Amino acid sequence: AQTVTQSQPEMSVQEAETVTLSCTYDTSESDYYLFWYKQPPSRQMILVIRQEAYKQQNATENRFSVNFQKAAKSFSLKISDSQLGDAAMYFCAYRSGSGGSNYKLTFGKGTLLTVNP
Amino acid sequence: ETGVTQTPRHLVMGMTNKKSLKCEQHLGHNAMYWYKQSAKKPLELMFVYNFKEQTENNSVPSRFSPECPNSSHLFLHLHTLQPEDSALYLCASSLSAAPDYNEQFFGPGTRLTVL
Repeated sequence: AQTVTQSQPEMSVQEAETVTLSCTYDTSESDYYLFWYKQPPSRQMILVIRQEAYKQQNATENRFSVNFQKAAKSFSLKISDSQLGDAAMYFCAYRSGSGGSNYKLTFGKGTLLTVNP
Repeated sequence: ETGVTQTPRHLVMGMTNKKSLKCEQHLGHNAMYWYKQSAKKPLELMFVYNFKEQTENNSVPSRFSPECPNSSHLFLHLHTLQPEDSALYLCASSLSAAPDYNEQFFGPGTRLTVL
């Protein structure tokens, strides 16, 4: 079974600075997807960024980018120019890319990000 | 209303009560999901419906009973719950459940407290 580990329960960053959230996962599959979800205090979870395992290029979405290290099974999220609105719980998630219950998302425990003004 | 909505947003119930959580999606999706979010634990998938058919029951106790009358609505019927069932219950939807990737869109959740 796949597992997702977020080793940082809490992180903080100064406004306008850069922060990196860590995520590692365990899988024997070669085809899969990885995601970062954001859950602000209002609780509606939204997708921040996704990465297909077969793509070598790291995904980017504006101020959000990932460092995907497939061999190391690492998938960190970098937030540049942090804003107060970035404060939220961030979840890393894994989804199989082939066969069986491939719609099932496996989540990490989350990292609570605080942005200090 | 747009996206995924959930009602009620907060619910307090006794262990002998019967209540229902409602989820509605306005995205034209065909797959819907129930997740349980407890403090200090990862989100746990509970149920998956794809085109109104239940395709996943993740070993959920029978005191939780899902219902999907159509692709836009999903219910979670609750009866004789335990205090450890207190959690945030999240509903999500996606275009379909399998096989290709389809982004899941989440609702705001229902905060359930069982006394």
